[in-house]
Amino acid sequence: GENVGLHLPTLSVQEGDNSIINCAYSNSASDYFIWYKQESGKGPQFIIDIRSNMDKRQGQRVTVLLNKTVKHLSLQIAATQPGDSAVYFCAENWAGGFKTIFGAGTRLFVKA
Amino acid sequence: SQTIHQWPATLVQPVGSPLSLECTVEGTSNPNLYWYRQAAGRGLQLLFYSVGIGQISSEVPQNLSASRPQDRQFILSSKKLLLSDSGFYLCAWSPRTDTEAFFGQGTRLTVV
Repeated sequence: GENVGLHLPTLSVQEGDNSIINCAYSNSASDYFIWYKQESGKGPQFIIDIRSNMDKRQGQRVTVLLNKTVKHLSLQIAATQPGDSAVYFCAENWAGGFKTIFGAGTRLFVKA
Repeated sequence: SQTIHQWPATLVQPVGSPLSLECTVEGTSNPNLYWYRQAAGRGLQLLFYSVGIGQISSEVPQNLSASRPQDRQFILSSKKLLLSDSGFYLCAWSPRTDTEAFFGQGTRLTVV
């Protein structure tokens, strides 16, 4: 379900290190998953997506892993940069569902 | 290309006053449209979604309402604002239910 009542967990990493942001989704029928990045005062922006027939998808410096057995999603950012500092949200969607449900979000701090 | 416009960017309204936030999408037809609210430092809460003109689904009971008078126009309204209505309101669209959503820049509403 929606974790809208929770304060955001925080992840702090050193510039150049890899970041791993985790997300647990709620609906076992979900078949499409998206990661968004939200910078302060702006709307979320699409980063990468994955469908349930895959368990891994790679983009530029980002990789999404999907484990349907435990309903877990992760976003890996390689060589994290200061510009990666933002709040990251996972979202789930399912066939027949006319909406996307967002997770609580994780705030990523990148230390120079 | 498709664009989404949301206004105003910021709004300060007294308790008990009405509200009207407008969102329009360009460059596409028959989009799915969404209104989300985000409290400070928290996740996104889906308020309303629409899959067509005049078709509105409400996700949470509240004193807000939504309307879709035209295919690419989505309006969020209230007759009497409450202090608890303060937050960051985001409009979004998606071409289908199983694709990523594209967000507007948001409206920061402060009810005083």
